[in-house]
Amino acid sequence: QVQLVQSGAEVKRPGASVKVSCKASGYSFTRYYIHWVRQAPGQGIEWMGMINPSAGGTSYAQKLQGRLTMTRDTSTRTVYMELSSLRSDDTAVYYCASHSGNYYDAFDIWGQGTMVTVSS
Amino acid sequence: QSVLTQPPSVSGAPGQRVTISCTGSSSNIGAGYDVHWYQQLPGTAPKLLIYGDSNRPSGVPDRFSGSKSGTSASLAITGLQAEDEAEYYCQSYVSSLSGSLVVFGGGTKVTVL
Repeated sequence: QVQLVQSGAEVKRPGASVKVSCKASGYSFTRYYIHWVRQAPGQGIEWMGMINPSAGGTSYAQKLQGRLTMTRDTSTRTVYMELSSLRSDDTAVYYCASHSGNYYDAFDIWGQGTMVTVSS
Repeated sequence: QSVLTQPPSVSGAPGQRVTISCTGSSSNIGAGYDVHWYQQLPGTAPKLLIYGDSNRPSGVPDRFSGSKSGTSASLAITGLQAEDEAEYYCQSYVSSLSGSLVVFGGGTKVTVL
């Protein structure tokens, strides 16, 4: 079964860091980029960045440069998204997403989402 | 402020046709990049609805259709059903020094009256 499974919800203090994992199964993990997007409560979808699971190369949204780090572990087919210097407006559901190759490069594989709450 | 502009909401009675616009610019949709559409039900991850401007993945009903012209794209739902009440997002790309980056519209809430 093709799926991305994310780690569980997190509650963090302002200024802390959070690291969310996304484990792939059922498809060729190293073939397609894995992307991260987030959705603040009641808001739209914001693209954060992407990682090449094969070579490890990354591209990040400009507004998150300097706070965002994406890494991968090919042995466990897992990618990680770490966001540092957390602020209250980082409170959101974070999703990883990828493509199977069947539908151009549209995101047809999604994780279940991870709620990250930033609160003092 | 999203790079792609969508109306915040549209509504229609069951059986009617509704359309959702997605307006971009010459640096994204107008540059020839594909437009994809997603449906998001409350509390769930987005689901791919239309890919490559006008193609439906397997399992998506044919009452959903997509089109693109110039710097804009549209999603049409014909024969609106209660289960279509959801949030809809368009997605495309913009070129940058590090390659093509992903951009989303702000989302459109479809209400079935």
